[in-house]
Amino acid sequence: DAGVIQSPRHEVTEMGQEVTLRCKPISGHNSLFWYRQTMMRGLELLIYFNNNVPIDDSGMPEDRFSAKMPNASFSTLKIQPSEPRDSAVYFCASSLYGPDTGELFFGEGSRLTVL
Amino acid sequence: GDSVTQMEGPVTLSEEAFLTINCTYTATGYPSLFWYVQYPGEGLQLLLKATKADDKGSNKGFEATYRKETTSFHLEKGSVQVSDSAVYFCALSDEKLTFGTGTRLTIIP
Repeated sequence: DAGVIQSPRHEVTEMGQEVTLRCKPISGHNSLFWYRQTMMRGLELLIYFNNNVPIDDSGMPEDRFSAKMPNASFSTLKIQPSEPRDSAVYFCASSLYGPDTGELFFGEGSRLTVL
Repeated sequence: GDSVTQMEGPVTLSEEAFLTINCTYTATGYPSLFWYVQYPGEGLQLLLKATKADDKGSNKGFEATYRKETTSFHLEKGSVQVSDSAVYFCALSDEKLTFGTGTRLTIIP
């Protein structure tokens, strides 16, 4: 079975540009998570969807960040406008159940560099 | 709120050495506990889990026992290999999943 698929794997952009990261969760999983990983702050949960509905977006840094899940097989994380401090690895993860089970399947990540 | 504290890294060991990575937690409820591993350039993978006190999770030669009395879930392996070099994350789940900061492990041949 295919795992969680993220694209792009690497993105280099200039400050002020719009960035869109994409995620395809594992088929049949009903929970989807976006995480951000940096050396300084470690792994941070940005937003969590259950059955395509955003449940907890308290980790979204600010209004420049938005996430959507139009259907069960696709999600996007958008940053507009991007800033150098957004440089990080962004992970998408999916789960058959909710976050309380703790069993998440992670994609390989999208490494974002904002110049 | 819930939190996880892991030993600071990096940790460097020789091949076949014994490994312990300490993890303690703070939680108001009765969480499940997890160890995730992140190999270079990859996402996190679930390594093992324990869902209640005194449970032992094990996988790939790694073990961890859920100790409620000491609020700990230390990761151990009797003989590490170069291929075990990775970052290891302790995590707990109550209503949501909370990760520790990660411990980078490097095994030298």
